[in-house]
Amino acid sequence: EPEVTQTPSHQVTQMGQEVILRCVPISNHLYFYWYRQILGQKVEFLVSFYNNEISEKSEIFDDQFSVERPDGSNFTLKIRSTKLEDSAMYFCASSVIPSNGELFFGEGSRLTVL
Amino acid sequence: QKEVEQNSGPLSVPEGAIASLNCTYSDRGSQSFFWYRQYSGKSPELIMSIYSNGDKEDGRFTAQLNKASQYVSLLIRDSQPSDSATYLCAVNGGGGSNYKLTFGKGTLLTVNP
Repeated sequence: EPEVTQTPSHQVTQMGQEVILRCVPISNHLYFYWYRQILGQKVEFLVSFYNNEISEKSEIFDDQFSVERPDGSNFTLKIRSTKLEDSAMYFCASSVIPSNGELFFGEGSRLTVL
Repeated sequence: QKEVEQNSGPLSVPEGAIASLNCTYSDRGSQSFFWYRQYSGKSPELIMSIYSNGDKEDGRFTAQLNKASQYVSLLIRDSQPSDSATYLCAVNGGGGSNYKLTFGKGTLLTVNP
């Protein structure tokens, strides 16, 4: 069964460092997303991406964040200068169409900022 | 600001019983409604979607939607220990947004053997 894959599964970094989280969405999906979940909190929307551009982003997704689809398979989230409060589980997701909300999530990348 | 509210639980039911999970949402323009299951330390997994008022059944799961009351529920019949997880209610659409799911905080369900 096709699945969304994410790397790394866990990354520990120092405050102020840049982090890149990687995702390979399901191959026939067209819409890609990043969500995050701080421990014990809600799953929160960060950004959606379609046709090589951001289609929507949340207030969390400030100038420190960026997304890119550098080739035909990878979808990346970059955090330019990490802060302690960026510590969370980051989930990549993909869908065939956006409006039905039937997202397929990857297993997540746990980011710990020290 | 869209809000999705759920009782955090924990909700504890014996094996074989019916588990009832509830959710309310604030944005009347919301169009699509979902239940995701999240095991501890894992990612959300879609188990039910519902788009119109009424009931939708899929195996042991029944989703119910009442747009007038802004209320969504999930019933799990013949609950099994493997159903023990956090159940997330999620809402899409409304406010000009098609791309963003708004999640509730989730209800922790424990099914006791």
